[in-house]
Amino acid sequence: EPEVTQTPSHQVTQMGQEVILRCVPISNHLYFYWYRQILGQKVEFLVSFYNNEISEKSEIFDDQFSVERPDGSNFTLKIRSTKLEDSAMYFCASSDMVFETQYFGPGTRLLVL
Amino acid sequence: AQSVTQPDIHITVSEGASLELRCNYSYGATPYLFWYVQSPGQGLQLLLKYFSGDTLVQGIKGFEAEFKRSQSSFNLRKPSVHWSDAAEYFCAVGAQAAGNKLTFGGGTRVLVKP
Repeated sequence: EPEVTQTPSHQVTQMGQEVILRCVPISNHLYFYWYRQILGQKVEFLVSFYNNEISEKSEIFDDQFSVERPDGSNFTLKIRSTKLEDSAMYFCASSDMVFETQYFGPGTRLLVL
Repeated sequence: AQSVTQPDIHITVSEGASLELRCNYSYGATPYLFWYVQSPGQGLQLLLKYFSGDTLVQGIKGFEAEFKRSQSSFNLRKPSVHWSDAAEYFCAVGAQAAGNKLTFGGGTRVLVKP
C-alpha cells in the first residue's frame, strides 16, 4: 500500500540553525500539507501546497518557514532560523484531490536546543 | 472558526470490552469528519471518514463511527477491544469553506488492560 515517508525521523539542532524536513508524498497525489504537534498539544495545520504554490497557510507559518517541491517526488519544509518553540513533531500529508482524505507520514521529531 | 473537542484525555478499557471515544465539533457548515489512530512511533493512520450519506460509517480494524448533526458529534466505537488497539486516537474536521486544512482534537489515549 502506498504511504507517505518522512526523513529524518528525529533531528536535533541548535537554536538559530536552519533545518530541512523531507517528505515523499504518495506518488499520484497532488496536494501536500505540513502539520505539527508540540508535545502535549493538538496537531496544528501549517501549510498546504498545490501546483507548486502555497494554497493556504496558518498564522504559525511565518517568514521563517518555507516549503518547496524540488523535484517530482520530494516535498520539503525549511525552517530558516530555528527557535526553541519550534520543537515539535512535524507531519507531512498528501491527498489526491482537495477535500479528500489526507494520508499522513510517520513524522519527524525536531528538538531545538 | 472550526474546533474539535475530545473530552476524554485517557480511557482505560479491558480487552474484549466495548470502547466509545467522543468527538464534538463546532462548525456552521457540513463538515468532513475523520478519525485517525497513532500508535507509538507511527504516523497518523486513517480509521474512517464521513463526507456525506449514511451517518454510520465503517472503518478499518472493526471501528465504526456515527455522525449526529443534532449533537455535533462523531463518536468512534468498537464492540470488542483488542490489546493492539492501545494507541492515541484523533478526531479531525475539514470543511470546504475552511479551505483544505484539517482541524484536530486533542486526542484520546486508550490503554487496554489484559
